[in-house]
Amino acid sequence: KAGVTQTPRYLIKTRGQQVTLSCSPISGHRSVSWYQQTPGQGLQFLFEYFSETQRNKGNFPGRFSGRQFSNSRSEMNVSTLELGDSALYLCASSVRGGQGRLETQYFGPGTRLLVL
Amino acid sequence: DQQVKQNSPSLSVQEGRISILNCDYTNSMFDYFLWYKKYPAEGPTFLISISSIKDKNEDGRFTVFLNKSAKHLSLHIVPSQPGDSAVYFCAASGPNDYKLSFGAGTTVTVRA
Repeated sequence: KAGVTQTPRYLIKTRGQQVTLSCSPISGHRSVSWYQQTPGQGLQFLFEYFSETQRNKGNFPGRFSGRQFSNSRSEMNVSTLELGDSALYLCASSVRGGQGRLETQYFGPGTRLLVL
Repeated sequence: DQQVKQNSPSLSVQEGRISILNCDYTNSMFDYFLWYKKYPAEGPTFLISISSIKDKNEDGRFTVFLNKSAKHLSLHIVPSQPGDSAVYFCAASGPNDYKLSFGAGTTVTVRA
């Protein structure tokens, strides 16, 4: 079974631009989460989607948004990029995440974003 | 605030010996705990998990211990191998959480 895939793998943008990152979960997985990893802050939760509904959102500004499609694929968007948005963005999927329980998450390789 | 803490940023161990990684948590609602391993430029790889109804879970060379009263868990790797050199993250979640809270990570170096 193929793992979680993320595109693009690397991205360079300048301040003020916007960016869209894509994630395809493991086949059959319906829950998709996004995390930001930076050297100073570690892995920080951005948001989680299940059946196209956002169920939880981390403490990030409104410039960070996401969505999930009916095939469980997900995108996240960052508008008005700032230098501090430079990070590794990780997508993770899990089987169900229903019944109030988030099951084991499996991560993709990440998208490395550099904002100049 | 940081609800999951890994207080040792690094650990060096000789090949063949035991590696012990520690993790503390503050949120008493957490009831599911996981360990991930991460190599540079890759996403975290799931290693092992434990639910709060257990105090130990074993999978090959990896054993996780949970002490609920102390809000502490540990990961034992026996024997340590050079390929175990990586960053290890402890993570936790609770009911209706729909997210994982991660520790800052511990970098393990296995010396030949």
